[in-house]
Amino acid sequence: DAKTTQPTSMDCAEGRAANLPCNHSTISGNEYVYWYRQIHSQGPQYIIHGLKNNETNEMASLIITEDRKSSTLILPHATLRDTAVYYCIVPLADSWGKLQFGAGTQVVVTP
Amino acid sequence: GAGVSQSPSNKVTEKGKDVELRCDPISGHTALYWYRQSLGQGLEFLIYFQGNSAPDKSGLPSDRFSAERTGGSVSTLTIQRTQQEDSAVYLCASIPDRVSADTQYFGPGTRLTVL
Repeated sequence: DAKTTQPTSMDCAEGRAANLPCNHSTISGNEYVYWYRQIHSQGPQYIIHGLKNNETNEMASLIITEDRKSSTLILPHATLRDTAVYYCIVPLADSWGKLQFGAGTQVVVTP
Repeated sequence: GAGVSQSPSNKVTEKGKDVELRCDPISGHTALYWYRQSLGQGLEFLIYFQGNSAPDKSGLPSDRFSAERTGGSVSTLTIQRTQQEDSAVYLCASIPDRVSADTQYFGPGTRLTVL
């Protein structure tokens, strides 16, 4: 997978937007950016993915820079249930779904 | 709808015993993956099944590990002669048809402890 760099941790106040950055400067033209999260003692949860256009779903928005070297996951109104480790990954096109997670960002949402 | 389910949620066993871990994927999902996650570590791919194709076993760490998927649905991961280093959370994920293999829906995992 293309290497990604994320901050180790970040705090966010409940009800505020959480903006999670990710650098992926070695991304290739046909590689997608995926975001997953893992709440403590649960399995990973798919959030969103994108290629070059911004994407939005019921969980989050994904903003990808024009040069595709970085992206930001936005949780528009963070809740306490959003406390989790968030993983930004760029799977290789021929990885056949064999996901690899790095250390991710530990997000703590506080009241 | 129902998500991916795994059983048991926790399993404690003695070194040398065999264990079976079960995964029920989301109905209609054609691909199924097994991973393990050790304490504080990332995901380690083990094996995946795609439809009727031969499974990709390239991630199985030793011949003590095996898996099968019956009828294109339920899967069982078997670990023979368990060792302490097998202690981990074993995760199963399934993928709906006609979407990217990187969009996976995970179960809650089975926490295996080998004493």
